[in-house]
This record gives sequence, structure tokens and C-alpha cells, in this order.
Amino acid sequence: QKEVEQNSGPLSVPEGAIASLNCTYSDRGSQSFFWYRQYSGKSPELIMSIYSNGDKEDGRFTAQLNKASQYVSLLIRDSQPSDSATYLCAVNGGGYSTLTFGKGTMLLVSP
Amino acid sequence: NAGVTQTPKFQVLKTGQSMTLQCAQDMNHNSMYWYRQDPGMGLRLIYYSASEGTTDKGEVPNGYNVSRLNKREFSLRLESAAPSQTSVYFCASSEGRNRAHGYTFGSGTRLTVV
Repeated sequence: QKEVEQNSGPLSVPEGAIASLNCTYSDRGSQSFFWYRQYSGKSPELIMSIYSNGDKEDGRFTAQLNKASQYVSLLIRDSQPSDSATYLCAVNGGGYSTLTFGKGTMLLVSP
Repeated sequence: NAGVTQTPKFQVLKTGQSMTLQCAQDMNHNSMYWYRQDPGMGLRLIYYSASEGTTDKGEVPNGYNVSRLNKREFSLRLESAAPSQTSVYFCASSEGRNRAHGYTFGSGTRLTVV
């Protein structure tokens, strides 16, 4: 059973701070990693994907991957109240396989 | 582009009733998926279709059936609804095939079985 673990939170940060969201996964053969943002009552929205070890930056978002430690993280710089949402980590194994989602971390950004 | 369209958005069923959730995508994606999302349980895969003409069970398939009608459409059927099937259902699609791609989700169907 492939597992993806996230701290459920809530993670509370003040506006302008860096929010750090973490995820670990059990399948060492996993090759593709994704971060989704889900606002309350809405559907998940893809915000980042990462496939290789290291960092990938897109605007205020940075995804970090460490396959040796089976760890993926998402940094949100200059956090805004509009970033308040649940962030889902999703992992995909090799070949054709489906995404396994973590249960999500709730982020609260206070003005 | 509409992306992934799900219907209906809300539904209330009585125990034992049947219904079909409809999903269509206009992105020419190969793969389509049905997930359910429950509080504290996260997103769980019910069924998926890697490509037109194929369907496979996911983590929680019991009580459901699916049909990949064509490349665009993937429906989920509850033959005899049970209160345990009260959930939010999401359809998603992706390019699929050899490399994992992120999914595009529909807006969801909120189903209550009483």
C-alpha cells in the first residue's frame, strides 16, 4: 500500500512570512510529485510538479524533492491571506500508475 | 475551454436508489479518474481509465461501476446507494500514458445518501 503522509495542521503563519509544507512517501520507486491547492468547498488545483531531486521555483512557490529521504516540500514565500487553503501532496510511481494523495495540510495565513 | 465538467453538482438519494455521475473533458486527455473525498480520509481512487476502452479498479471500487463511453466521457454509477457512499466525488483527467502528468479536476458532485 503506497502511502503519502502530511501533517494535517493547521499551519498558521503571518502575512508576508514563508510557509513550509512537508510530505513523505513510502514508495521508493515514485517518480513524479505534485502539489495541489484546495480551497474549502472547491476542487483541487495543480500548483507545482517536480520530477528531479532539487528545487523548482515558480513565482512565490518552490517545490523541493529529496528522493533519498523520500521527502517533498512546498515553500510559499510572502504568504498572503489568499493562500489560506488545504495543500495536497500527490505522488506517482514508475510506468503508468495513478496518483496517491496525502490527506492534506491546512494553511492559515493571518493578516 | 471548459476543462472537466461534472454533473450533477449536488444530489440527494435514498438508500437503494441508483444514479449515474457524468464526467466529460475537452482537453483530449487519454486518462480519466474518479475519486471520492471524505473528511479525514483524503482523496481515494474509485476507478480509472488509462485510455479509451480500458477501466481498472482503484482503492475503493466496491459499490460502483464505471463506463468509458468515449475518449471524452467517463461515468460513475451507483447501482444501490448506501449511506456510506455519502461523499464528494471528483472526476479528473490527465494526459496519462508513460509519464505521470498532473490531473485536472472537475468541480465535484456532493452526494448525500439518506
